[in-house]
Amino acid sequence: KAGVTQTPRYLIKTRGQQVTLSCSPISGHRSVSWYQQTPGQGLQFLFEYFSETQRNKGNFPGRFSGRQFSNSRSEMNVSTLELGDSALYLCASSPRTSGPAAGANVLTFGAGSRLTVL
Amino acid sequence: GNSVTQMEGPVTLSEEAFLTINCTYTATGYPSLFWYVQYPGEGLQLLLKATKADDKGSNKGFEATYRKETTSFHLEKGSVQVSDSAVYFCALGNQAGTALIFGKGTTLSVSS
Repeated sequence: KAGVTQTPRYLIKTRGQQVTLSCSPISGHRSVSWYQQTPGQGLQFLFEYFSETQRNKGNFPGRFSGRQFSNSRSEMNVSTLELGDSALYLCASSPRTSGPAAGANVLTFGAGSRLTVL
Repeated sequence: GNSVTQMEGPVTLSEEAFLTINCTYTATGYPSLFWYVQYPGEGLQLLLKATKADDKGSNKGFEATYRKETTSFHLEKGSVQVSDSAVYFCALGNQAGTALIFGKGTTLSVSS
C-alpha cells in the first residue's frame, strides 16, 4: 500500500514568489491535512480538507491556501513568499470522517516538502 | 485553548538506559493523545496512542498511560537502543479529528 506522497521534496524560491505543494493521500483516505514545521515554532496545523471542503483552519495568514480535488489529492499554495515561510511542509491523510471516534483518527504523514525562501 | 507541553531536549542516553519523556496537556473534554516519532529526513510516524483515561498505548517497547488526574501522557521505554534516536512529539487530537496539536518535540540521542 503506497504511503502519503508529497511533491516536490525540496524547492528553493525567492521572496515575493508563490509556491504550490502537492500531496497524494493513501488510497481510500478522504481527509488530508497540512502542517508547517519550523525549528522555532515546531509543528503547526495549517488546514484540513475532507471531500473537497475545508473543515478546519489554523492560525495562518490568507497567503496560505489549499484545496482538495475529487480524488482526495490536495494542494497547498503560499503566495508572496516571505523568509519566514522557509519550513518543512508536511501533509497527512486519515481514513476517518467524523463521529464519536473521530478524535482518535490516526494521521499518516508524508516525508514533507522542504521549502527554502531566499 | 488546548495545548501540549513536553520536556525540552536533547535527551542523551546510553544504550539500554531507561527513557522517560514527560508530556502534559491542557484541554477541554476528553481528547485522544498520541506520540509520534520523526527519524532524520522523514515525516512523522505514529508510535502509540490512547483514547481515554487510564488507557495505555504501547508499541516497540514504548509505553504511555493517559492520566486524566495529572493531565499527563509520559512516554517510557525500559531499554533504549541506538536505533531509537529520533525526535519524539506528544500530540493531542481535537474532538472532530480534524487537527493535532503538537508539543515542541524532544530529541533523543542514544549512544552505544
